[in-house]
Amino acid sequence: GAVVSQHPSRVICKSGTSVKIECRSLDFQATTMFWYRQFPKQSLMLMATSNEGSKATYEQGVEKDKFLINHASLTLSTLTVTSAHPEDSSFYICSASGGTGNNEKLFFGSGTQLSVL
Amino acid sequence: KQEVTQIPAALSVPEGENLVLNCSFTDSAIYNLQWFRQDPGKGLTSLLLIQSSQREQTSGRLNASLDKSSGRSTLYIAASQPGDSATYLCAVRPIGTSYGKLTFGQGTILTVHP
Repeated sequence: GAVVSQHPSRVICKSGTSVKIECRSLDFQATTMFWYRQFPKQSLMLMATSNEGSKATYEQGVEKDKFLINHASLTLSTLTVTSAHPEDSSFYICSASGGTGNNEKLFFGSGTQLSVL
Repeated sequence: KQEVTQIPAALSVPEGENLVLNCSFTDSAIYNLQWFRQDPGKGLTSLLLIQSSQREQTSGRLNASLDKSSGRSTLYIAASQPGDSATYLCAVRPIGTSYGKLTFGQGTILTVHP
């Protein structure tokens, strides 16, 4: 079964509203989670690294005030797209790392398709 | 800056064919390279992970090779099936980055028709 749960899987919203996406690790504790964005027929681009109990680290060019990330517990990270606009329409995917050393693995959520009207 | 390129962008083959997907990366300073499968509108499933010290990995009908010095990897799929139809992504973890910070290629869309 899935070890990283992401929801909603699809959301349609009006321009100017905010949308929250949740990413949960189901059977392991994830001190670090990652948020990616994927435009149609393009590659996944890392947006930010989410660290439990501290501020997220954003990649160059990603607006931290627009994409709010909260990693309040070892099993939950949320991405909030604030004041969404049509250009924010994209596929957002989270991932979480579990295990240590050679047993460390990376698990991906099933993604969220955001459509801003 | 690390760049990952996948060729071809799309591939359509009849069932039963063996096929090769290509991935190249510009900076050989990597920890590892992974191949993923992505179904439409879905997340990613890890297929194979090759550490930088390894040359290849195999899982069932899949074989991935890595030539770090030349910045190339191939994914070989034997006896392709319609169920193999998906987008295949390769990704590298650059040296000096934390686990999970991957640089992805743009993917190869594979269609296997009966």
